[in-house]
Amino acid sequence: AQSVTQLDSQVPVFEEAPVELRCNYSSSVSVYLFWYVQYPNQGLQLLLKYLSGSTLVESINGFEAEFNKSQTSFHLRKPSVHISDTAEYFCAVTFMNTGFQKLVFGTGTRLLVSP
Amino acid sequence: DAGITQSPRHKVTETGTPVTLRCHQTENHRYMYWYRQDPGHGLRLIHYSYGVKDTDKGEVSDGYSVSRSKTEDFLLTLESATSSQTSVYFCAISESGQREETQYFGPGTRLLVL
Repeated sequence: AQSVTQLDSQVPVFEEAPVELRCNYSSSVSVYLFWYVQYPNQGLQLLLKYLSGSTLVESINGFEAEFNKSQTSFHLRKPSVHISDTAEYFCAVTFMNTGFQKLVFGTGTRLLVSP
Repeated sequence: DAGITQSPRHKVTETGTPVTLRCHQTENHRYMYWYRQDPGHGLRLIHYSYGVKDTDKGEVSDGYSVSRSKTEDFLLTLESATSSQTSVYFCAISESGQREETQYFGPGTRLLVL
């Protein structure tokens, strides 16, 4: 079965601390991987994505994610978080056996950054 | 920001009544999607459209219908609303439905069915 798992529903962290949000997927076919972020009372917006090439991808606001094929993971990291990073983060996957971009989302991880 | 609007933004309705949500885009993107967001489930695809009058079901389509008579508008209808359809509904668009594309999301509609 094709699925996406985000085991941590909520991650509390202090400002300037590092954080890792975990994402694992299950698939027998190739995938494209995405992280979307949802700020309070807003829609989702793309944070970063992995399509091919270097397994480490970066966003403009300091987040990075690494594709690990053997672990079927795409964990999101930031070395030093800000209060403004407080949001819900969704991992999403497109599987290569679908005829269009059918995104399968994880259940989301709420990142709570406190002073 | 991608030009996507959703209306209404909030709605309270009673069980058994029909409800229509509208998604409007100004990007001329071919693909449009309707998702629902529920705690513990993330986002789940309800229906999608790959062109005018071309639609198909997603994973949670029971109780929902859609229509797309113009490129820019994608309507989601709950024929007879139930309490289980209380949710936040998001519309998304993508340029041509290619698997590597970014999907752009609207601001959402919060629906409460009493």
